[in-house]
Amino acid sequence: GQQLNQSPQSMFIQEGEDVSMNCTSSSIFNTWLWYKQDPGEGPVLLIALYKAGELTSNGRLTAQFGITRKDSFLNISASIPSDVGIYFCAGPSGGSNYKLTFGKGTLLTVNP
Amino acid sequence: NAGVTQTPKFRILKIGQSMTLQCTQDMNHNYMYWYRQDPGMGLKLIYYSVGAGITDKGEVPNGYNVSRSTTEDFPLRLELAAPSQTSVYFCASSYSSGGNQPQHFGDGTRLSIL
Repeated sequence: GQQLNQSPQSMFIQEGEDVSMNCTSSSIFNTWLWYKQDPGEGPVLLIALYKAGELTSNGRLTAQFGITRKDSFLNISASIPSDVGIYFCAGPSGGSNYKLTFGKGTLLTVNP
Repeated sequence: NAGVTQTPKFRILKIGQSMTLQCTQDMNHNYMYWYRQDPGMGLKLIYYSVGAGITDKGEVPNGYNVSRSTTEDFPLRLELAAPSQTSVYFCASSYSSGGNQPQHFGDGTRLSIL
């Protein structure tokens, strides 16, 4: 099946720094989703991307849908301690709009 | 609004025991899903349902069963618990298909099989 590769697997940064992470696939995706999972909770949708080249922001978060439709990027500016968590990319798979394939996640740690 | 509610939050089972993980949503969503999350492995789809009375297998259905008798409830059943089923289980729901209809997740059930 389709797989999503996220990098880096983990990041340790200082408060105030900017963060970049990405997600790649060998297959084309028509939608890219970025979720965040706080410790002990379920994932929450941050940003959804529907069009190649699209750049969408949500506060300090900005995500881009790659032109090739095989990758996506998430940037966090001026990180704060509450940005700590696991960030997942996801996309509809198997010809279905509602069955999601998730990447393995990027674990972000922010040192105050 | 409670959103998606999962019970129990934690459970320890012995090998061979059975149990049902409960999931209910109060958003009148048609679509519901069960995922398992293993450390460092992301989420994998176990089963999903597109409406009451309709269920289908996801990526990792072996060892599990589901039912969907109402729009609100989507229980996941483990018949013969095995150590490989130790995981965190998440239930999710969405209004309809399409990436623009986000899946709303519960807070998970942490299950250990010993």
